[in-house]
Amino acid sequence: EAGVTQFPSHSVIEKGQTVTLRCDPISGHDNLYWYRRVMGKEIKFLLHFVKESKQDESGMPNNRFLAERTGGTYSTLKVQPAELEDSGVYFCASSRYTGTGGSGANVLTFGAGSRLTVL
Amino acid sequence: AQSVSQHNHHVILSEAASLELGCNYSYGGTVNLFWYVQYPGQHLQLLLKYFSGDPLVKGIKGFEAEFIKSKFSFNLRKPSVQWSDTAEYFCAVRLYGNKLVFGAGTILRVKS
Repeated sequence: EAGVTQFPSHSVIEKGQTVTLRCDPISGHDNLYWYRRVMGKEIKFLLHFVKESKQDESGMPNNRFLAERTGGTYSTLKVQPAELEDSGVYFCASSRYTGTGGSGANVLTFGAGSRLTVL
Repeated sequence: AQSVSQHNHHVILSEAASLELGCNYSYGGTVNLFWYVQYPGQHLQLLLKYFSGDPLVKGIKGFEAEFIKSKFSFNLRKPSVQWSDTAEYFCAVRLYGNKLVFGAGTILRVKS
């Protein structure tokens, strides 16, 4: 099966500009997640979609970040306006199911990430 | 807050040396534990996971990890590393739902 696809792979923008990152999950995966890694620190959770609904957005840093998943397929993450501290790698992941334990169908598969550089 | 601690940020080994990367987590409940690896220029890949049962789990490419509940640890091991193991390794714990909490990562460089 095709993996999780993210684009662009790298985006360089000026402070104050807008950037939209896109993630295409594995087909049939209802669960889609965004994570972010800033400056070599931990990879941190941003939010979790189940189909088109936001299940958990507790990791979203502020209202400059807007995530959408219209139709429950691909997702976009928009940063507007971008600030210097938003630079980092944004990872998308998907899974068929959620929950602890059980089968491996609840294991997250990650994309290659989108590197964002804000100048 | 729950956290995951990886003991070393950078590790340099020669080929055929043994590897052990430390990982400790702070959470007293039921956890699922993972090691992910990111090879240069590639995406994060699952190396191995622990859900329950035998605390010694084996993953891909000869890696294994041992879950020690009393020590809140999930250390990654490989008896003999290869140059191709050069990568960044991430320990992660899954709590409720499907939220993963990651460690800061360990960059492994294997000298040929």
